[in-house]
Amino acid sequence: EAQVTQNPRYLITVTGKKLTVTCSQNMNHEYMSWYRQDPGLGLRQIYYSMNVEVTDKGDVPEGYKVSRKEKRNFPLILESPSPNQTSLYFCASSLIRGEGYTFGSGTRLTVV
Amino acid sequence: QQQVKQSPQSLIVQKGGISIINCAYENTAFDYFPWYQQFPGKGPALLIAIRPDVSEKKEGRFTISFNKSAKQFSLHIMDSQPGDSATYFCAASDRDDKIIFGKGTRLHILP
Repeated sequence: EAQVTQNPRYLITVTGKKLTVTCSQNMNHEYMSWYRQDPGLGLRQIYYSMNVEVTDKGDVPEGYKVSRKEKRNFPLILESPSPNQTSLYFCASSLIRGEGYTFGSGTRLTVV
Repeated sequence: QQQVKQSPQSLIVQKGGISIINCAYENTAFDYFPWYQQFPGKGPALLIAIRPDVSEKKEGRFTISFNKSAKQFSLHIMDSQPGDSATYFCAASDRDDKIIFGKGTRLHILP
């Protein structure tokens, strides 16, 4: 089944403890993105990648890092999480630039 | 400017009625306009999308109307059903794959 897989689905962590949310797609898509979803703010793009080793900042990149060493994987790294990064995170991928993203099921992160 | 303004925030429609959600953008570099549907506990799913060289696109009960000169586009759901109850997001993206989402519309279809 074609899908984007995120792990974990739920995560509670403490301020300052580094964490990584993994994202993997099995559709050989070139384009991948990370979003956060907050009530009243909709979906905001954190980082995106147009190919292996090519990444760029979205609208809210502060406090986040990404890497794209392989086509299928696009992990999101929070080096020093803070409570304002408590949110619902989505990874997405698409075959064609900007067209028809397939989203993962989301990761609900709570930073206390 | 990079905003995509979506309205209304919430919408209640009788079963069988027409649901209409509107979006407006400012950046003329946007060249792809998708709509996503999101059910509770799920990720958004692509519903329908349009490029600015077309004024309308229809897929089943879902239609996008696009007005390039006004920089507006809208989603029409004909014969709305309770199963259409979800949150809908419009979006706009440019050639660099930078995508901006609207803030969402929570649609409720009354049975």
